[in-house]
Amino acid sequence: KQEVTQIPAALSVPEGENLVLNCSFTDSAIYNLQWFRQDPGKGLTSLLLIQSSQREQTSGRLNASLDKSSGRSTLYIAASQPGDSATYLCAGPNTGNQFYFGTGTSLTVIP
Amino acid sequence: DTEVTQTPKHLVMGMTNKKSLKCEQHMGHRAMYWYKQKAKKPPELMFVYSYEKLSINESVPSRFSPECPNSSLLNLHLHALQPEDSALYLCASSRGGVVTRGNTIYFGEGSWLTVV
Repeated sequence: KQEVTQIPAALSVPEGENLVLNCSFTDSAIYNLQWFRQDPGKGLTSLLLIQSSQREQTSGRLNASLDKSSGRSTLYIAASQPGDSATYLCAGPNTGNQFYFGTGTSLTVIP
Repeated sequence: DTEVTQTPKHLVMGMTNKKSLKCEQHMGHRAMYWYKQKAKKPPELMFVYSYEKLSINESVPSRFSPECPNSSLLNLHLHALQPEDSALYLCASSRGGVVTRGNTIYFGEGSWLTVV
């Protein structure tokens, strides 16, 4: 079973700051890695999907990287905004359809 | 349309009740999932259906009974639940069958379940 860990568990930054969220996984045989955002009381919104053959994906102010050999992925958020405040989760399947989620990082961007 | 629709949004049920959660997608996805999420915890996988057949059951108690009547619908039948089963139940789908290589997984907004 894939074990996924996210550091830090919580992060508070002033508006405009660049920040990095970390995701570590134990099984490097992942097919892809996906980053999600979850607002309080809501479902999950997919942000970025990185294929196992890729090293980076970018969408707007978001950039995600994947290093399978070290079992790590990072989500970089540029010029953070209060609207970015949410919980960020990473998830990756290794076999079959089992997407296992990380423990999440709760982000607060202070205006 | 990248939408997964879940109903009801909120459900309160007694421990002797029988109720169902419903999930629908029209993206042509052939893998559908149920996840359970407790407060401040990540979602935990419960069931996976691939091409309308149950492919993964993560040792979920039998008081939860999934059903996939067709490729667009997924139900979760609930019976004799316990208060500790109160949680957010998330449905998701992805293209493809057993192996979801390279496929984005899409989630619904979830159904909040309270067992009293």
